[in-house]
Amino acid sequence: KAGVTQTPRYLIKTRGQQVTLSCSPISGHRSVSWYQQTPGQGLQFLFEYFSETQRNKGNFPGRFSGRQFSNSRSEMNVSTLELGDSALYLCASSLAADTDTQYFGPGTRLTVL
Amino acid sequence: GNSVTQMEGPVTLSEEAFLTINCTYTATGYPSLFWYVQYPGEGLQLLLKATKADDKGSNKGFEATYRKETTSFHLEKGSVQVSDSAVYFCALSEEETSGSRLTFGEGTQLTVNP
Repeated sequence: KAGVTQTPRYLIKTRGQQVTLSCSPISGHRSVSWYQQTPGQGLQFLFEYFSETQRNKGNFPGRFSGRQFSNSRSEMNVSTLELGDSALYLCASSLAADTDTQYFGPGTRLTVL
Repeated sequence: GNSVTQMEGPVTLSEEAFLTINCTYTATGYPSLFWYVQYPGEGLQLLLKATKADDKGSNKGFEATYRKETTSFHLEKGSVQVSDSAVYFCALSEEETSGSRLTFGEGTQLTVNP
């Protein structure tokens, strides 16, 4: 069974631009979560989606948003990029919202210049 | 709120040495506990987990026991290999009123020398 896939793997943007990252969960998984990893802040939870609904949200500004489609694929969007948004963005999927084992994708490395 | 504290790194060991990475947690309820491993340039891989007190998770020679009385979940391996060099993250998951989220420790960089 294929694992979690994320596209693109690498991305370079400039300040003020916006970016959309994509995540395809493991087949049959309905919950998708997003995390931001930086050297200074470590791994921080962004949000979780289940059945196209945002069920949980971390402490990030409104510039960070996401959505989930009927096939469970998810996208996250960051608008008005700042230098501090440079990070590895990790997507994780799990079978259902009440199943707590999350499986991670390889991540998207975003660099903001 | 919930939090996870890991021993400070980096940790450098010789091949076949014994490994311990300490992890303690703070949670309001009864969390599940995890160890994830991250190799250079990759995402996180689940190493092992435990869902209730006194459970022992194990995988690839690594072990960790859920100790509720000391709120700890220390990672151990009896004989490390060069291929174990990676960053190790301790994490907890506590279901909230809607969904769940993982709270991670800071990560511990392990380097194993031949």
